[in-house]
Amino acid sequence: EAQVTQNPRYLITVTGKKLTVTCSQNMNHEYMSWYRQDPGLGLRQIYYSMNVEVTDKGDVPEGYKVSRKEKRNFPLILESPSPNQTSLYFCASSLSGRISYEQYFGPGTRLTVT
Amino acid sequence: EDKVVQSPLSLVVHEGDTVTLNCSYEVTNFRSLLWYKQEKKAPTFLFMLTSSGIEKKSGRLSSILDKKELSSILNITATQTGDSAIYLCAVGSSCTASKLTFGTGTRLQVTL
Repeated sequence: EAQVTQNPRYLITVTGKKLTVTCSQNMNHEYMSWYRQDPGLGLRQIYYSMNVEVTDKGDVPEGYKVSRKEKRNFPLILESPSPNQTSLYFCASSLSGRISYEQYFGPGTRLTVT
Repeated sequence: EDKVVQSPLSLVVHEGDTVTLNCSYEVTNFRSLLWYKQEKKAPTFLFMLTSSGIEKKSGRLSSILDKKELSSILNITATQTGDSAIYLCAVGSSCTASKLTFGTGTRLQVTL
């Protein structure tokens, strides 16, 4: 089944404790992206990747890191999480970043930072 | 800065009603406009509209792109309780067509 998977689905952590949210897609998509969703603000892009080893900042990159060493994986790293990073996070992928294609979303990761 | 505005913010209708959701945008180098449905989980794709495809229809749902007015509408006819969700509009622009700017969504509730 074609899908985007994320882990963990739920995470409660404390300020400053490094964490990684994994994202994997099995559709051989070139483009992958991370979003956060907050009430009243909608979905905002954190980072995106046009292909392996090619990443770029989205609209709200502060406090996050990403890497794209393999085509299928695009982990999101929070080196020192803070309470303002409490949010619902979605990973998404698309066939190409240069041509408009629909984006497929993962199931989401609800992160709480205390 | 790209901007996408959706209206209304929320809507309550009775089953069987027809609803129209609005999306307006201000983006540089428009490429595409997408509609997603979000229930209690990840957004799921509904339609993509581009300059070469300004009208789409699937069952009771249809969407039109008005490039002159920089807007789009999503129509749902004969609404059902299963249509209750947040409907998101997103626009792809510039040289990175898959970089989407999302609106905050319209929350639709369909009651019996």
